[in-house]
Amino acid sequence: QQQVKQSPQSLIVQKGGISIINCAYENTAFDYFPWYQQFPGKGPALLIAIRPDVSEKKEGRFTISFNKSAKQFSLHIMDSQPGDSATYFCAAKAAGNKLTFGGGTRVLVKP
Amino acid sequence: KAGVTQTPRYLIKTRGQQVTLSCSPISGHRSVSWYQQTPGQGLQFLFEYFSETQRNKGNFPGRFSGRQFSNSRSEMNVSTLELGDSALYLCASSLTSTQETQYFGPGTRLLVL
Repeated sequence: QQQVKQSPQSLIVQKGGISIINCAYENTAFDYFPWYQQFPGKGPALLIAIRPDVSEKKEGRFTISFNKSAKQFSLHIMDSQPGDSATYFCAAKAAGNKLTFGGGTRVLVKP
Repeated sequence: KAGVTQTPRYLIKTRGQQVTLSCSPISGHRSVSWYQQTPGQGLQFLFEYFSETQRNKGNFPGRFSGRQFSNSRSEMNVSTLELGDSALYLCASSLTSTQETQYFGPGTRLLVL
């Protein structure tokens, strides 16, 4: 059972554009929603995270929007740069340290 | 502060063999979680150890096991390897079993022939 659904699977954006990745979850016990960035040959690195009592969180060019009633959250990458080309994973966590990941989105930023 | 380290980085085994992977968490971190990453199934949680005790377990067969030592270093073992066990095995550490931020290592790439 896929508890976190992520879309799109891939996207191409021009340099300076906005990348938007969406995730939806089912388990209402989830209370922590991180986004990870992964480059080839590397482990995932935490980008930004949010809790359900906050509707939006911004860190630099990265913004999470959270809609608790719809059980959806999204990552916006503003002013996308070629160095942002990577695979992005949303995740969700309930009690304990078990992260449930979305399927990933491969982002390619064209110069 | 050094990050999470995993050894070995690459491994080739044959079906039926067993393998042991090692993970050293960030200094001071006491929780270690293991994940399997494959193109087909994505990132899946294997198990978590905290203070040498397994705190949580994912939906993997009993061939997958782990342990944690008193210095928080962790090992995972896969017995009777199958072709489908070929994957990137990632270790993540956090301060405690409830501290939210998990830091991932570079992973061990296992190829089963």
